[in-house]
Amino acid sequence: DQQVKQNSPSLSVQEGRISILNCDYTNSMFDYFLWYKKYPAEGPTFLISISSIKDKNEDGRFTVFLNKSAKHLSLHIVPSQPGDSAVYFCAASLISNFGNEKLTFGTGTRLTIIP
Amino acid sequence: EPEVTQTPSHQVTQMGQEVILRCVPISNHLYFYWYRQILGQKVEFLVSFYNNEISEKSEIFDDQFSVERPDGSNFTLKIRSTKLEDSAMYFCASSEGGWFKIGTDSTDTQYFGPGTRLTVL
Repeated sequence: DQQVKQNSPSLSVQEGRISILNCDYTNSMFDYFLWYKKYPAEGPTFLISISSIKDKNEDGRFTVFLNKSAKHLSLHIVPSQPGDSAVYFCAASLISNFGNEKLTFGTGTRLTIIP
Repeated sequence: EPEVTQTPSHQVTQMGQEVILRCVPISNHLYFYWYRQILGQKVEFLVSFYNNEISEKSEIFDDQFSVERPDGSNFTLKIRSTKLEDSAMYFCASSEGGWFKIGTDSTDTQYFGPGTRLTVL
């Protein structure tokens, strides 16, 4: 099952610079795209989402861009801070008739912010 | 801030034994989920639960698995006869449900617990 792919297993960015994490998907039926952040020994924590009919959503330092024609989304973090060091998961959701959202995750990108 | 809790944090069991993983979702949430992550692999959806019944399940969620909400607060995942390949991190999640705004950026956010590491020997 390769419906959601993150091709970069790791990324290192200098503190204060922009971090760009990328994600590709294959299923055009996804309703929402989400980014989750995960620290060791914790569960994934929701960061930001975007509807499949939008192309940009911004929340503070985090912006998600969606390019539907390329089936590609990206997460921009600016400025990057040491506390942003974590594993970032791209996810896509399908809403069922019962209202539940089944999440399909990518493999994750480990982001390291260098002080 | 309300959070999803899971117990135990680590469970070791022998192959063929039954295990029950426990979760306490956020109190006003209506939708409940189990996901798992085998070491080095993706987080995978197992099952969703709403209104006291399974609303969706994946191919992984076969007859060996069951879920239950035995009271108003707990949500459990039972694996009837564990196999070596069931070794994984199991995450419970919950969400408010009841609404989502199609066309906005507001999904029905799922809040994840810290996970239970299941080791099958």
